[in-house]
Parts: sequence; C-alpha cells; structure tokens
Amino acid sequence: NAGVTQTPKFQVLKTGQSMTLQCAQDMNHNSMYWYRQDPGMGLRLIYYSASEGTTDKGEVPNGYNVSRLNKREFSLRLESAAPSQTSVYFCASSDRTGGNQPQHFGDGTRLSIL
Amino acid sequence: RKEVEQDPGPFNVPEGATVAFNCTYSNSASQSFFWYRQDCRKEPKLLMSVYSSGNEDGRFTAQLNRASQYISLLIRDSKLSDSATYLCVVNTAAGGFKTIFGAGTRLFVKA
Repeated sequence: NAGVTQTPKFQVLKTGQSMTLQCAQDMNHNSMYWYRQDPGMGLRLIYYSASEGTTDKGEVPNGYNVSRLNKREFSLRLESAAPSQTSVYFCASSDRTGGNQPQHFGDGTRLSIL
Repeated sequence: RKEVEQDPGPFNVPEGATVAFNCTYSNSASQSFFWYRQDCRKEPKLLMSVYSSGNEDGRFTAQLNRASQYISLLIRDSKLSDSATYLCVVNTAAGGFKTIFGAGTRLFVKA
C-alpha cells in the first residue's frame, strides 16, 4: 500500500547548495507531478511528466529541473538553492493528465533553505 | 484575479451542522474538477470528483455550475473528524495541461 513515496521527508540546506528530491509510485501511473505549497497559497505546479520520457513546465518552474527516470520515478533537482525555495514539496501521480483522473500525493518533503 | 478562488474561512461550526463551500474558477475551458481534503501538515487526499450532474458520497455532495463557473461542496451532519482544509482543484487541457489548486477553506468542527 505504498502509493507515492517521497524522500527525504525533511531537509535543511544552505543557500547555493544543490539537492535532489526523490519520488516513486507503485500504482503503474503514467503521469507524475511536482508541487510546492507555501503558507496561504494553494499548491503550485512546478513540473509534470505526462508519460515516461516527457516533462513539461508548470506554473513555477524557475530554479528547478526534473528527470523522469522511468515510469515509476520522477525526481526534482534544485541546482543552487535559494531561501525563496523554502517550502513543502509534494509529488503526485495519476493514471494520465487531464480528464477526470485524480492525483494521488506523497506525504511531502519539508525543505528549509538558510 | 486568481484562476481558482476559495473563501479561506475559517468556518467554525458545531457538530451536526451543515456547511457549504464554494469555489470559483476563471477559465471557461476547464474540464475536470475535484475536492481534496488536507489535514494539518499532511498531504492532500482526494475527497471526491465533481461531475456535471452533481454527485454525492455519503454526507458529502458536490455540485458544478459551468455557466457561473463555480463548484460547491456541501457537508451534512458535520463530524469532529471533518475538521481540515478543503481544496478545490481545477484541471484544464486547452492550450496545454494545467492543474490549479485553490488556497483552501479551513473548517473547524466543534463539540
């Protein structure tokens, strides 16, 4: 019953450091997503991957890169972390993008940039 | 104007009360709609999809009004365990896939 698994759950970085957040799903979903959630704001889509081998920008892609390693795994990389990237990051997956396909979320990574 | 707007609340209601949340969206090409529930410091979890004809799941009823571009969630016979933040989610495919979350409506149900 793993669903969507994110690692790590917590991380503190210094400005300028790099880091990769990992996400894996075991539901055989085609589409995967990365969001950030900041206080008082809804989740904002950073990048998504409609299917293995494709990635597309979401609403707030600047400062991030992603890799769809295979159907199961979708990673998010911060090349040079900035304090503005302090946030809670959620990975999600769905059978496909669009349509009436709900997304299923991991339990998040809490990232602080000092 | 935000693409998806919700009343942030908080809504404070007694157990057993009926409470309704609205969510408005600006893109008339939006095609699918959902309500999620998020507990404090947890991930969002799907509560229900919203269908054009309206749909019900136990104490929860969701409605879609495409003409006025809003969706609603009605919770009947509120329980303490309903206390959470309720997120409205709108998907659009025209011009490229886009999924927009509302900022959420906070609900407190009190004994």
